[in-house]
Amino acid sequence: EVQLVESGGGLLQPGGSLRLSCAASGFTVSSNYMSWVRQAPGKGLEWVSIIYSGGSTYYADSVKGRFTISRDNSKNTLYLQMNSLRAEDTAVYYCARADVEMATVLFDYWGQGTVVTVSS
Amino acid sequence: DIQMTQSPSSLSASVGDRVTITCRASQSISSYLNWFQQKPGKAPKLLIYAASTLQSGVPSRFSGSGSGTDFTLTISSLQPEDFATYYCQQSHSTLALTFGGGTKVEIK
Repeated sequence: EVQLVESGGGLLQPGGSLRLSCAASGFTVSSNYMSWVRQAPGKGLEWVSIIYSGGSTYYADSVKGRFTISRDNSKNTLYLQMNSLRAEDTAVYYCARADVEMATVLFDYWGQGTVVTVSS
Repeated sequence: DIQMTQSPSSLSASVGDRVTITCRASQSISSYLNWFQQKPGKAPKLLIYAASTLQSGVPSRFSGSGSGTDFTLTISSLQPEDFATYYCQQSHSTLALTFGGGTKVEIK
């Protein structure tokens, strides 16, 4: 059974740093595309970042230069290192497996989310 | 980046109604369009991918259509468990996978 479990969220001040983790089971992280998606309170979904199986990484303009996506193959875990945090980064952060079907990248499995609150 | 615009942003409907949600892309995305359902406090759930392919386990009352810039999600007969928020998402630009703003389906 595929499972994704996020952790690492919390309350921190603007300018701070945080690392989110997403522990996967039932499949191999390094063999799949993996992504982070966030949702600010009362708002819609916002794609944040993706790492491809080959290791290429891409980011939304809103987090480029501040966030870094990575994975630890030995732990089968995805990470999101978040630096220079701003109030507008406050959100529930979801990790998601990104499968490819019919040449379409789709998010087929999601974690339960972890809450990040940036406030002074 | 490709912008995705959904309409309406919310709608009220009754059980048994046929519901249609529209998603428009700022440029052609062929059929690289997915639909998700999200209930309060829960992670999104994939309903349809590649514009019209039903994800395994999703009821057949959900259907998707469209290509290019204009897409539609249809619920043929709304059920109580379908009251939720629906999002489209494009995967044409795999360097920036953008979502629409969402459509909240509420009980009339």
